Amino acid sequence: AQKVTQAQTEISVVEKEDVTLDCVYETRDTTYYLFWYKQPPSGELVFLIRRNSFDEQNEISGRYSWNFQKSTSSFNFTITASQVVDSAVYFCALSEEYGGATNKLIFGTGTLLAVQP
Amino acid sequence: KAGVTQTPRYLIKTRGQQVTLSCSPISGHRSVSWYQQTPGQGLQFLFEYFSETQRNKGNFPGRFSGRQFSNSRSEMNVSTLELGDSALYLCASSPSQGLRETQYFGPGTRLLVL
Repeated sequence: AQKVTQAQTEISVVEKEDVTLDCVYETRDTTYYLFWYKQPPSGELVFLIRRNSFDEQNEISGRYSWNFQKSTSSFNFTITASQVVDSAVYFCALSEEYGGATNKLIFGTGTLLAVQP
Repeated sequence: KAGVTQTPRYLIKTRGQQVTLSCSPISGHRSVSWYQQTPGQGLQFLFEYFSETQRNKGNFPGRFSGRQFSNSRSEMNVSTLELGDSALYLCASSPSQGLRETQYFGPGTRLLVL
């Protein structure tokens, strides 16, 4: 069954530290997409990145980088030189083709990141 | 472009009542999905609408229903409210339907059932 696991419930770092948020997924399909979203205290989920199952190239966007490894079914997210504004809950999510065209996302339980000044 | 908007932002109801939540997708987006977020169950998929048709439904009782209008706006309704329905209800829109579509979320409606 499809599943997303974010084993880290809470992480606390001091500003300027690097931090990696882990995401492990399970899927029976060969075609799927992985996403990361950020949820600040306001509640809105903010889209960060989308990655398809055929593209294992790592991606960097400013202080953010993502490492996708199909061999370990992981899609980890690293924030370099963290800032207080990075404090939020981060969700990893999966969408797969099984069952037909659908926008359904399977979310992990989220990781609460607290960046202390 | 304006983002996804949801109304109302906050709602307090009592058990047994019903509630209707509204979602306006990003202009040009035709697919709308709804999610429920609670501390205990996390983010769970409720249902998905495309071209005014429900395309997919999560594992929720029949008290939860929804619809989509011709302008892509969507509403969800919860009848006979229970205490456990207290949650953040998030609406998301995407240009079309399919696993590759990125969903953009609204600010949510916080429902408290007393």
